[in-house]
Amino acid sequence: EAQVTQNPRYLITVTGKKLTVTCSQNMNHEYMSWYRQDPGLGLRQIYYSMNVEVTDKGDVPEGYKVSRKEKRNFPLILESPSPNQTSLYFCASSSPLAFGAEQYFGPGTRLTVT
Amino acid sequence: GIQVEQSPPDLILQEGANSTLRCNFSDSVNNLQWFHQNPWGQLINLFYIPSGTKQNGRLSATTVATERYSLLYISSSQTTDSGVYFCAVLSDNDMRFGAGTRLTVKP
Repeated sequence: EAQVTQNPRYLITVTGKKLTVTCSQNMNHEYMSWYRQDPGLGLRQIYYSMNVEVTDKGDVPEGYKVSRKEKRNFPLILESPSPNQTSLYFCASSSPLAFGAEQYFGPGTRLTVT
Repeated sequence: GIQVEQSPPDLILQEGANSTLRCNFSDSVNNLQWFHQNPWGQLINLFYIPSGTKQNGRLSATTVATERYSLLYISSSQTTDSGVYFCAVLSDNDMRFGAGTRLTVKP
């Protein structure tokens, strides 16, 4: 089954404790991205990757890191989480976005930083 | 960057009613998608529709790219249609979401 998976689905952590949210897709997609969703602000892009070893900032990259060492995986790293990073996070993937490909979203990760 | 506006922001319907949701965008797009976010937070792909018309059961969508808008039609609404509907557009490599339409269908 073609899908995008994220882990964990729910996470409660404390300020400053490094964490990683994993994202994996099995569709051999070149493009992957991370979004956060906050009430009243909709979905905003954090980082995206056009292909392996190619990443770029989205609208709200501060406080986040990403890496793309393999085509199927695109982890989101919070080196020192803060309460303002409490949010619902989505990973997405698609064929090359420049060709207008359809994006597929993971199930979401609900993060709470206390 | 491209601006995306959805209307109405909120919509309350009685079960069985029809509705039309609108998405306006400020520039030409390579891609437009409609999503439904269910009450559990999951984003479900409804339509990939950069232009033209598509139908899937009780839902259909039309995008008029030259006039920079898209419409999502929901017919004979059911309580399970409740949630937030987003349109998302791609212009160059910039993917933007609208603020969504929150739909509540009452039994």
